[in-house]
Amino acid sequence: SQQGEEDPQALSIQEGENATMNCSYKTSINNLQWYRQNSGRGLVHLILIRSNEREKHSGRLRVTLDTSKKSSSLLITASRAADTASYFCATVEGGGADGLTFGKGTHLIIQP
Amino acid sequence: DAGITQSPRHKVTETGTPVTLRCHQTENHRYMYWYRQDPGHGLRLIHYSYGVKDTDKGEVSDGYSVSRSKTEDFLLTLESATSSQTSVYFCAIREKGAGGGIDTQYFGPGTRLTVL
Repeated sequence: SQQGEEDPQALSIQEGENATMNCSYKTSINNLQWYRQNSGRGLVHLILIRSNEREKHSGRLRVTLDTSKKSSSLLITASRAADTASYFCATVEGGGADGLTFGKGTHLIIQP
Repeated sequence: DAGITQSPRHKVTETGTPVTLRCHQTENHRYMYWYRQDPGHGLRLIHYSYGVKDTDKGEVSDGYSVSRSKTEDFLLTLESATSSQTSVYFCAIREKGAGGGIDTQYFGPGTRLTVL
């Protein structure tokens, strides 16, 4: 069953604006990861946040995690046309050996 | 790309035929995974492997089998393909986190399979 659910399903913003995507999950997790997928391509790992962390930054990306609400958000600042892609959250439960559990994704469109 | 290749990249086949997809990695990773991606479902785990000849089922394993006879290759077989198995299939490896960090998965480019 799907663990993560991204919100919104689709988002269209102007270049230069900030984009925020949310992810909710159902069970306790070891960590939460965000991936990007450009159309017709494989997934690219963006950032990982551990269950004992609340916020993490990487370049123009900022991820927050609220384990009490079982939710995470991904903020992309100063968006660029190249950020147009689908973004997925994925969780690792327990030991994590049995793979990632993905949400359905947010499709982000950056208008030039 | 963590040295992951998938073959074929595209395949069209008919219902009832067997199909084998190959995932090849060059960096000696222990863990390998097969996922399928469908509209409205995101990625779902089919099978995974934690070593040569060591495999286990994922969320959507029915109708699929896997084999791993050597570290670098992880094969996914659809024994009798059905139209519901039309999908994009992704292979992934699990890379150990640097300095005791958490492991991360890296994905191959995908195989687009159409079952008519």
